[in-house]
Amino acid sequence: AQSVTQPDIHITVSEGASLELRCNYSYGATPYLFWYVQSPGQGLQLLLKYFSGDTLVQGIKGFEAEFKRSQSSFNLRKPSVHWSDAAEYFCAVGEGNTGFQKLVFGTGTRLLVSP
Amino acid sequence: DAGVIQSPRHEVTEMGQEVTLRCKPISGHNSLFWYRQTMMRGLELLIYFNNNVPIDDSGMPEDRFSAKMPNASFSTLKIQPSEPRDSAVYFCASSLAQGVGYGYTFGSGTRLTVV
Repeated sequence: AQSVTQPDIHITVSEGASLELRCNYSYGATPYLFWYVQSPGQGLQLLLKYFSGDTLVQGIKGFEAEFKRSQSSFNLRKPSVHWSDAAEYFCAVGEGNTGFQKLVFGTGTRLLVSP
Repeated sequence: DAGVIQSPRHEVTEMGQEVTLRCKPISGHNSLFWYRQTMMRGLELLIYFNNNVPIDDSGMPEDRFSAKMPNASFSTLKIQPSEPRDSAVYFCASSLAQGVGYGYTFGSGTRLTVV
């Protein structure tokens, strides 16, 4: 079964600094990969997704992620963090495109932004 | 587009009482998912439906939990009897297609407290 590991429970970044959140997945075939963000008291919002093609994908709010098959990683990046980016971030993996699917989520990384 | 609508937003109930959580998916979406989020276990998929039919309920923790989707615009998750360990945030999500390719749209969740 597929699984997702987010090794960092908390990360603190200064406003204006760059950000990288780590995500490693376990899945035999080509995965469908996603990053979601959850603000306090809110549901999860899709930031970006990867299926195939260009390994660097762009998302909303200035985020991007790079798929590296050799490292089984799909790290999320942003060049300059804003205070409004403080939230919890979830990486998720889904199976291929046959049958009925479900997403498996990582445990999340909470991002704190310091002034 | 009103998004995925969940009600109530907050529910406090006494142990042993029946609790019903409600979800209205996005119009046109044919897959619906119920997740539970806790600090200890993160996001857990409880059950998902495709075209109103339950596809996988292996995540439903016990017989006390049941879910229905009588039509394409409404689903319920019921807990009877409720227990303090059921306290969590319950999310409903919907998707356009059975595959994971489109990602999910999440509701704002129902925070359940069982005392």
